[in-house]
Amino acid sequence: GAGVSQTPSNKVTEKGKYVELRCDPISGHTALYWYRQSLGQGPEFLIYFQGTGAADDSGLPNDRFFAVRPEGSVSTLKIQRTERGDSAVYLCASSISGSNEQYFGPGTRLTVT
Amino acid sequence: QKEVEQDPGPLSVPEGAIVSLNCTYSNSAFQYFMWYRQYSRKGPELLMYTYSSGNKEDGRFTAQVDKSSKYISLFIRDSQPSDSATYLCAMRTTGTASKLTFGTGTRLQVTL
Repeated sequence: GAGVSQTPSNKVTEKGKYVELRCDPISGHTALYWYRQSLGQGPEFLIYFQGTGAADDSGLPNDRFFAVRPEGSVSTLKIQRTERGDSAVYLCASSISGSNEQYFGPGTRLTVT
Repeated sequence: QKEVEQDPGPLSVPEGAIVSLNCTYSNSAFQYFMWYRQYSRKGPELLMYTYSSGNKEDGRFTAQVDKSSKYISLFIRDSQPSDSATYLCAMRTTGTASKLTFGTGTRLQVTL
């Protein structure tokens, strides 16, 4: 079956602009995670959804970052007033609730100029 | 200090060698330990996970966890050029919060 998909694969934006990153999880996976991976680093947790609700958003760095999952499937990560420090690969993962097996998408590479 | 420490490498070994990759951690609440493989410009791929202390084997891969030392290892036997990738350790606590805490990753190069 299809894995986790993320769009766009690459996004270049200017400082101060608004961006939306989309994640399509594996069908039937109720848990969805967003991570951010900077160059040479491991992924860092941002937010975790169980169904439609954010069960843990402790990793969001500030209030410029927001994520939604209105129907419990597709999720969108929204970044307002982008800064150059937001440049990174944004990874989405999904899993069956309670499972240790998180399946990652290929990521969206965000570059803020 | 990071919760999970991992030597970034790079680590270069000849084909057929045994590879040892390691992580240390500071949070004694971590109970689940994972190893992911990440090829360039791809998402991480789960190789295996273990719960608490002990060993787990899957083909050429063996994962070890020593909770008393807060030290985990991944061994790769008969390494192949296709094993060349970045290997990330990750771990989490029990409970409903399922977020993973990752190491920085070790870049492995297996040469012919």
